[in-house]
Amino acid sequence: QKEVEQDPGPLSVPEGAIVSLNCTYSNSAFQYFMWYRQYSRKGPELLMYTYSSGNKEDGRFTAQVDKSSKYISLFIRDSQPSDSATYLCAGEYNFNKFYFGSGTKLNVKP
Amino acid sequence: EAQVTQNPRYLITVTGKKLTVTCSQNMNHEYMSWYRQDPGLGLRQIYYSMNVEVTDKGDVPEGYKVSRKEKRNFPLILESPSPNQTSLYFCASSLRSSGIFRRDEQFFGPGTRLTVL
Repeated sequence: QKEVEQDPGPLSVPEGAIVSLNCTYSNSAFQYFMWYRQYSRKGPELLMYTYSSGNKEDGRFTAQVDKSSKYISLFIRDSQPSDSATYLCAGEYNFNKFYFGSGTKLNVKP
Repeated sequence: EAQVTQNPRYLITVTGKKLTVTCSQNMNHEYMSWYRQDPGLGLRQIYYSMNVEVTDKGDVPEGYKVSRKEKRNFPLILESPSPNQTSLYFCASSLRSSGIFRRDEQFFGPGTRLTVL
């Protein structure tokens, strides 16, 4: 079983929609959870990170972690065509080891 | 400009021919790491380094070596490449401030696409 599972999509939504991206994880030792955005032919870029359970908001993005159900979510409000990318979730433990989901491809249609 | 650079960006080689992929960062970051990205498997951590001369294995270290002789450089060495090492490789660096890993300052390189025939 992979440490972090993520639906590969693709997910296609109209511009302005609310997008929900989700991951599940199996490693109870994860302390930090991250979301990355990866455009085609580029390296990932860190979007947000959260520590333990709870919500974190940054502009149109909200990251949510539910440790009781081992569920990680990223919500994008008022989605834009420029949000079209692959989104990767990740869990980290021991301050050094990272485990990534396989990524969800998002397409926001104008 | 803050950046992580990798060279080469594309490489086609043959089984058994030793190769090195270089990674360099200009941000004075302590933490550096190598990943490979494969379809359906996502990013998997190969090796990481907490600082100069301090390296450790990630999730998939077999067939790879690394060294960290200078803070800015973290080369990935494939002593005897095999076709199952055909992949997209990313180097990443992060800041550690007062011993705390700064998760808000983490950068990835542009990637190296390696094909081993």
